[in-house]
Amino acid sequence: DAGITQSPRYKITETGRQVTLMCHQTWSHSYMFWYRQDLGHGLRLIYYSAAADITDKGEVPDGYVVSRSKTENFPLTLESATRSQTSVYFCASSEEGGTFFTQYFGPGTRLLVL
Amino acid sequence: GEDVEQSLFLSVREGDSSVINCTYTDSSSTYLYWYKQEPGAGLQLLTYIFSNMDMKQDQRLTVLLNKKDKHLSLRIADTQTGDSAIYFCAEILSLGKLIFGAGTRLAVHP
Repeated sequence: DAGITQSPRYKITETGRQVTLMCHQTWSHSYMFWYRQDLGHGLRLIYYSAAADITDKGEVPDGYVVSRSKTENFPLTLESATRSQTSVYFCASSEEGGTFFTQYFGPGTRLLVL
Repeated sequence: GEDVEQSLFLSVREGDSSVINCTYTDSSSTYLYWYKQEPGAGLQLLTYIFSNMDMKQDQRLTVLLNKKDKHLSLRIADTQTGDSAIYFCAEILSLGKLIFGAGTRLAVHP
């Protein structure tokens, strides 16, 4: 009954390092999403995935890479972290991608880039 | 482009009603959502309203939708300290993409 989990919950890294944030869901939902939350901006979509091996860009994809080799996992990689990527990152999943399906959110990963 | 706007802060006394307002821009949105975020936690779906409805009531929560003005509101009756959180309004676009407002921080004081 885990639902959707994210790891790590907190991460401190340095500029230029590669960082991978993990997201895992146990519902076998088709769609998964990555958002970042910044003060004054609400949540903004980084990438989403409609199924395994199908991914697409959201509103703010620059500097991020995603993959989805298995339905239940959707890792987000910062290839060369920058200070502007300091944020709280949320993963979400939904059964389908249409407008009728609720998105369920993970607890978030707080990332600090020094 | 798409945009969702909300006031950033609301303070109410315990037992009073809270009203959080939101305006959105995409008239084709089929669903509009309210999410709640407690400190250190993810977003929890509170309620939603289908675009052909004017009002939806769910226990202490009442959602009002004015499609003409693209205005959405969330009323919480008998506000409790446990209601203190950030409330996000969101509209849904094609392929399930959610556009969020910046969030309204609700503070409930005795």
